[in-house]
Amino acid sequence: EAGVAQSPRYKIIEKRQSVAFWCNPISGHATLYWYQQILGQGPKLLIQFQNNGVVDDSQLPKDRFSAERLKGVDSTLKIQPAKLEDSAVYLCASSSGLAGEQFFGPGTRLTVL
Amino acid sequence: GQQVMQIPQYQHVQEGEDFTTYCNSSTTLSNIQWYKQRPGGHPVFLIQLVKSGEVKKQKRLTFQFGEAKKNSSLHITATQTTDVGTYFCAGRETNAGKSTFGDGTTLTVKP
Repeated sequence: EAGVAQSPRYKIIEKRQSVAFWCNPISGHATLYWYQQILGQGPKLLIQFQNNGVVDDSQLPKDRFSAERLKGVDSTLKIQPAKLEDSAVYLCASSSGLAGEQFFGPGTRLTVL
Repeated sequence: GQQVMQIPQYQHVQEGEDFTTYCNSSTTLSNIQWYKQRPGGHPVFLIQLVKSGEVKKQKRLTFQFGEAKKNSSLHITATQTTDVGTYFCAGRETNAGKSTFGDGTTLTVKP
């Protein structure tokens, strides 16, 4: 069974630029999560989808971050414009149900200069 | 909002010693999950606890969920170098609610 796929693995941009991350969850997993993990901290949930609907986006900085999962499968997370404090690893995870085990992808390491 | 605290932040042990990390929530939890993240890697699921007072074992790892469902612990017996990594707990207030992760306990093992 293929795991959660993410791309790119690394991205370096300058502040005020835009960036997008892509995630393809495990086949059949209805629930998809985007987390931000700052060095030395635990993953912080940005947004949770159930199929193509948003379950929770209470911690998503909506003035600059957006995410979509139009067909209920893969998802994109965008930052526009980026700030220095957005430097982090962005993790995508999926699960078969709302309360189940989360399978994480390898993450995208973003550096904002 | 819900807060999940983990202690200690770091733990350095000699190989063969035991290790325990503690997780405390500011609110009652519906369930708690534990994950392990190796250096440079991504979190990997270890276990989920649901019932008050529940104890589960996986080889040398013992997981407990407190009676009040506000705290949990992970104990490793006779650590090995393969146990190195950061251990996170993640609590949910409701069964289908969002997971709130603690900041983890980083374990290093000296051979």
